[in-house]
Amino acid sequence: NAGVTQTPKFQVLKTGQSMTLQCAQDMNHEYMSWYRQDPGMGLRLIHYSVGAGITDQGEVPNGYNVSRSTTEDFPLRLLSAAPSQTSVYFCASSYRGQRYEQYFGPGTRLTVT
Amino acid sequence: GIQVEQSPPDLILQEGANSTLRCNFSDSVNNLQWFHQNPWGQLINLFYIPSGTKQNGRLSATTVATERYSLLYISSSQTTDSGVYFCAVGVAGNQFYFGTGTSLTVIP
Repeated sequence: NAGVTQTPKFQVLKTGQSMTLQCAQDMNHEYMSWYRQDPGMGLRLIHYSVGAGITDQGEVPNGYNVSRSTTEDFPLRLLSAAPSQTSVYFCASSYRGQRYEQYFGPGTRLTVT
Repeated sequence: GIQVEQSPPDLILQEGANSTLRCNFSDSVNNLQWFHQNPWGQLINLFYIPSGTKQNGRLSATTVATERYSLLYISSSQTTDSGVYFCAVGVAGNQFYFGTGTSLTVIP
């Protein structure tokens, strides 16, 4: 049971480039979320999903797209990276049967130059 | 959105000392979790505690939902307790709001 996995661990992009951050979980959790963490701040919710085919916006959705075609995977897409998107990105999953207790992946550190 | 305030923002302790971290939130919540972010950035679940009191070894937590606060107690602190402690509150499903954390340094 790997839990929540994220790839890559580190990434450097140039302004305007696109990329996809991968997130997968093997716990059959129906809920998945993406957060970003900036220095000296807590985590802020970008997008979340309550099940395959269903996604919604969180606090800071601008510049990011998501989709959820399977229960296991929840990729986060940056269509045109900007320096303001330099951050550490965390994916989390949770399960209604466990009262939405969240489990986090190890994070992806993204730098946009 | 809901406001989550944590105090103190920074804390330095001698090994063996006890401490209390506080989390205040501005509205009714369905869920509350405490996390420890270690120096390598990993987020570790400490407690899921929307109400009541729980204990796990040297750590314990209490949430008084009607008064909109939660406390995390660390007893007999160790250097491995260093890191940032976050409180996160959930208002619907998996939408969680995080505080800005308490940075704890335990010195030997």
